[in-house]
Parts: sequence; C-alpha cells; structure tokens
Amino acid sequence: GAVVSQHPSWVICKSGTSVKIECRSLDFQATTMFWYRQFPKQSLMLMATSNEGSKATYEQGVEKDKFLINHASLTLSTLTVTSAHPEDSSFYICSARGFGSNYGYTFGSGTRLTVV
Amino acid sequence: DAKTTQPNSMESNEEEPVHLPCNHSTISGTDYIHWYRQLPSQGPEYVIHGLTSNVNNRMASLAIAEDRKSSTLILHRATLRDAAVYYCILMPLGGGNKLTFGTGTQLKVEL
Repeated sequence: GAVVSQHPSWVICKSGTSVKIECRSLDFQATTMFWYRQFPKQSLMLMATSNEGSKATYEQGVEKDKFLINHASLTLSTLTVTSAHPEDSSFYICSARGFGSNYGYTFGSGTRLTVV
Repeated sequence: DAKTTQPNSMESNEEEPVHLPCNHSTISGTDYIHWYRQLPSQGPEYVIHGLTSNVNNRMASLAIAEDRKSSTLILHRATLRDAAVYYCILMPLGGGNKLTFGTGTQLKVEL
C-alpha cells in the first residue's frame, strides 16, 4: 500500500533557528501533499496544500513566510519552520494523495517539534 | 465543505463490538464517507470508506443509512490497540483538494 515517510519524528531546536521537515511518498507519486499542525488534545488543522512544481496554497491565518513549503518533486515535500518560537511547538503531519485517487489520503507518522 | 458531527468520546470493553456514529445531514450526492483513526502520537490512518452501500474490510465495517445522512463505523471486536480518535470525513468525488478534520470520537477500550 501507499506509504508516506516523514522525517524527523521529533526535533528540539532553539528559539530563532529554522527547522526543516521532510515528507516523502515512498511507493507512489504524489501530485499533492498536505501539511497539518496539531496541538495537544486538538484535531488536525490544515496549514497548506503543496502542489508539485508550483507554489503552495496556505490556509487563512498561516504565515507563508514563516512556514516555507517546497514540493520540488513528485515524491518529496518539505516544510521549513523559520525563526521558530516556543508557540510553534506542535505536532506536524504531512499527507499525500496519488493521481486520481478516490481512496483517501496517506499520512506520515508526524514530527514533534519542541522549540526551547 | 459538508460537516460531520460525532460524539466526543465513547467507551468499550475489550472483545466487545463498538458502533461509532457520525451524522452528516448536509452530505451531497457525490460525497464519499471516509473514516480515519489516529493513535496517540501518530499520524492518522485510513480505516474505511463508502458511498452508498455498506462496506467491510479487515479493519472494520461501515454501515451507511439509506438517506446517507448518517453512518456508523463498526469495530466487531475491540482491542486495546483500537483505542484512538476516530474521524468521520466527507470527501467529494475525485478526491477534492482538502481533508478537513472535525473533532472526532475518542474511543477508550477497557479490559
């Protein structure tokens, strides 16, 4: 079945630094990838839609200059949290959908970001 | 996007069947009904989906009301590993462009 690999699974960084999270579709090509953020005890919140070869589409209230998304190939999307602050600490999850799929989305295992 | 309503939490005993309800009264004729679940500290995983007919797979069964305004995810024999948050989500024909998560149902399974 479709597998999405997300790396790293956890990261601790200092306030003011940047962190890159990778999302790879291992056995299928993903024209579209999605990035979610989840705070403790809350549901997933869609941050942005990443389309291969074009600019990402951000949800309202998500700063595109702070959360840089690059989808340079059909199997890789990256999310970079720039100038991270403690309030950016969260669980970040990516998902991907292949060509013409009605069968749902495959999710990565998530990245726990802690900014100290 | 059409909205779904689920109970915040449910409890079950191990080895017992569990019926997780979902209301989606504003569903359109081309919306698929998808269920995902999220175990603690993991990304969501696909459980099952359907359009009009009831569906079965190795994980669960999906019962869809005749008017499609509600559905029920059925776990035939709950185990401790089924303790998770279960999300009922509507997906338009063609996949749509977004998967919007509601609050889901926290399922607790006890010995």
